[in-house]
Amino acid sequence: SYVLTQPPSVSVAPGRTARITCGGNNIGSKNVHWYQQKPGRAPVLVVCYDSDRPSGIPERFSGSNSGNTATLTINRVEAEDEADYYCQVWDSSSHHWVFGGGTKLTVL
Amino acid sequence: EVQLLESGGGLVQPGGSLRLSCAASGFAFGTYAMTWVRQAPGKGLEWVSSISGSGGTTYYADSVKGRFTISRDNSKNTLYLQMKSLRAEDTAVYYCAKARDIAVTGYCFDYWGQGTLVTVSS
Repeated sequence: SYVLTQPPSVSVAPGRTARITCGGNNIGSKNVHWYQQKPGRAPVLVVCYDSDRPSGIPERFSGSNSGNTATLTINRVEAEDEADYYCQVWDSSSHHWVFGGGTKLTVL
Repeated sequence: EVQLLESGGGLVQPGGSLRLSCAASGFAFGTYAMTWVRQAPGKGLEWVSSISGSGGTTYYADSVKGRFTISRDNSKNTLYLQMKSLRAEDTAVYYCAKARDIAVTGYCFDYWGQGTLVTVSS
């Protein structure tokens, strides 16, 4: 089955740029979606189809996808961005949705 | 305003059954695929099952296939998850989520419910 690999944690100072990676075999050929989840809350979609940002999501959030790595980039990080972030793809071979293990973003 | 409201969670003994519901409003329910995603305590997100807008196509995670059944009643704008032969490892918060577009697969989930807790324990 298809596997998505995320770093367990990423730390960044306020105002700096955070990059959260999502690794998978030839992930560049798939559509990658990203979700933000704060403690005790439901996930929120922050990037759809690699780089499409839903309405209401700050422009600071962006996504890219190429080769074996997809990346969620958060510019000018704010304290409110501290959360868990999950990547997701559809594996057409198995007809399964796959989530990455999640990355905890800590704002120092 | 799109709203998804899960219900039906609770405490159940191993081997027992439970049916979750997700009441939807604020969008053309029958047009969009729907999905169940769960999250065990302190763990990450795990996809459980998805169903097309018509209900004619369903997908299941290997961990629940043969034990869980996803269905929908478009006349009632409600999504269901029938769970049987429950195990301790099924303990989780179960979320329902809506597909953002009318694609059959590959879509993202643009709205999520608040979740309902299922605890499997004796």
